[in-house]
Amino acid sequence: EAGVTQSPTHLIKTRGQQATLRCSPISGHTSVYWYQQALGLGLQFLLWYDEGEERNRGNFPPRFSGRQFPNYSSELNVNALELEDSALYLCASSRGGTFSYEQYFGPGTRLTVT
Amino acid sequence: GQSLEQPSEVTAVEGAIVQINCTYQTSGFYGLSWYQQHDGGAPTFLSYNGLDGLEETGRFSSFLSRSDSYGYLLLQELQMKDSASYFCAVLTTGGFKTIFGAGTRLFVKA
Repeated sequence: EAGVTQSPTHLIKTRGQQATLRCSPISGHTSVYWYQQALGLGLQFLLWYDEGEERNRGNFPPRFSGRQFPNYSSELNVNALELEDSALYLCASSRGGTFSYEQYFGPGTRLTVT
Repeated sequence: GQSLEQPSEVTAVEGAIVQINCTYQTSGFYGLSWYQQHDGGAPTFLSYNGLDGLEETGRFSSFLSRSDSYGYLLLQELQMKDSASYFCAVLTTGGFKTIFGAGTRLFVKA
């Protein structure tokens, strides 16, 4: 069974630009979660999508947005990039709802903003 | 507010037992999960407690006390490969949002 995949592995952008990160969940999983992990720190919850809908979001500005496609893959968009957006962005998937306690993570996208 | 507290670092000797504590304060609690993350790797799910008590999975056990808003991860027969960061994570009833602790870095010495 294939795990969660993310692309690209690394992304370098300039301040003010937009970044698009992609995630494909494990087959059969309907929920996708996005987290930001700054270097050496914990995971900050960004967004949760389930069945194509945004179900919850963390304390991040509106320039962090995303969507989930009919095949349950997901995209995270970060507009007007700032230097402090540099971090590892992790995507996770689960069966959703009460099964959200068990999330499977992808390898992450390392975003560097210069 | 919502917060989780766990020690930042723990050091133990190979073969020993170590306990990583986690206390939480959240508005709505569904359960407590534990994840392991090696340097440069992705977090991997270790265990989950939805009810009070002890859950055992091989060398790892996890405990939850809802009345004390407290849980712990117990690692037995420590191996060098257990050196990693360990995160507790609360699943809240408010829209099934997951809140992660800042992580505990475990160093296992020979």
